[in-house]
Amino acid sequence: DIQMTQSPSSLSASVGDRVTITCRASQSISSYLNWYQQKPGKAPKLLIYAASSLQSGVPSRFSGSGSGTDFTLTISSLQPEDFATYYCQQSYSTSMYTFGQGTKLEIK
Amino acid sequence: EVQLVESGGGLVKPGGSLRLSCAASGFTFSSYSMNWVRQAPGKGLEWVSSISSSSSYIYYADSVKGRFTISRDNAKNSLYLQMNSLRAEDTAVYYCARGVTMIVVVIIDAFDIWGQGTMVTVSS
Repeated sequence: DIQMTQSPSSLSASVGDRVTITCRASQSISSYLNWYQQKPGKAPKLLIYAASSLQSGVPSRFSGSGSGTDFTLTISSLQPEDFATYYCQQSYSTSMYTFGQGTKLEIK
Repeated sequence: EVQLVESGGGLVKPGGSLRLSCAASGFTFSSYSMNWVRQAPGKGLEWVSSISSSSSYIYYADSVKGRFTISRDNAKNSLYLQMNSLRAEDTAVYYCARGVTMIVVVIIDAFDIWGQGTMVTVSS
């Protein structure tokens, strides 16, 4: 099974900050990596697919990069509505999708 | 409006059964793979099961294999999860999610539409 590890598990930041979240796969997954945002009590929302492609309607301050085993999600200038938990997901093995454990982004 | 609405959650005793449903609307249900993802209280997301558009391909997480059965009825625009031999560790919010295939540098599957979730509590 492919394991996904995110870091950090939690992060405090201020509005306007640039923030980076990292996701590492236990084996190479090429660019088969998606990012989701989840706010408390709500369903997850797809932000980025294929490591760096922005889902329709997602603000351009969100960006993704990486390939192989190491990936990053960057928010260029944090907005109040961005405080949420972020999850990466590998889609390399479609018979066993795996999510990272999540990164909770909190207001400093 | 594209929408997924789950139902069927509730309180069940260990060893019991429950059947979840997910009603789809606003899109051609039969053209998409579908998935179940769960989230235990205060925990992260866990993929549970996937089914292809024509039910030809079905996959389960090891944690539910042999106990849960995913199915769909394309004529009724509905997805189901039959859960048997339930355990306390199955307690979670269960989401259904649409699988979409994106073609960019790679051909990748992602979960682009999610329901609001239905709570399943396994407790005596």
